[in-house]
Amino acid sequence: RKEVEQDPGPFNVPEGATVAFNCTYSNSASQSFFWYRQDCRKEPKLLMSVYSSGNEDGRFTAQLNRASQYISLLIRDSKLSDSATYLCVVKLTGGGNKLTFGTGTQLKVEL
Amino acid sequence: DGGITQSPKYLFRKEGQNVTLSCEQNLNHDAMYWYRQDPGQGLRLIYYSQIVNDFQKGDIAEGYSVSREKKESFPLTVTSAQKNPTAFYLCASNSADGRARNGYTFGSGTRLTVV
Repeated sequence: RKEVEQDPGPFNVPEGATVAFNCTYSNSASQSFFWYRQDCRKEPKLLMSVYSSGNEDGRFTAQLNRASQYISLLIRDSKLSDSATYLCVVKLTGGGNKLTFGTGTQLKVEL
Repeated sequence: DGGITQSPKYLFRKEGQNVTLSCEQNLNHDAMYWYRQDPGQGLRLIYYSQIVNDFQKGDIAEGYSVSREKKESFPLTVTSAQKNPTAFYLCASNSADGRARNGYTFGSGTRLTVV
């Protein structure tokens, strides 16, 4: 079983739609959680950290369910510029501050 | 501006040759990492270093080597022993004091192709 699992997509949605991505992680010792955005042939960039109480940044809302080992990202009023691959990332408790990346979910926002 | 610089952006290598990818950061971060990304796959950790003159193997270290002689620099050598070196290589850094709430800062990557 992969440590971090995501639906690869692609999700093809019309502009203005609300889209939700889900992610599950296998290690209950995971400590910190993030969503990264990666544009085609570019490096990943931090979109937002995910906090236990859930958090919102503009049109983006992230939620964490530790009991189910599940993370979600909700994008409201999607824009063409939101088209990218969204990576779910977890950090385990322990040395190295190593991050484990999911394979990513591809989003295509269309007119 | 502070950041991470990777060079070159594109690199072509003949089979059987070693090649070194550069990674330099001026963020005063203690920890540095090398990842590899293949199409349709997630990032996989090759090596990481938390302090100068110390580094650890990641999940796919075979065929690679690194050094950390300076805090700012963490070069990766792809040796001829690496069976499938064609990939997108990403260097990242983070403060090593556990403040991973900020995630990593990534360089813009080096795309290596073996010809």
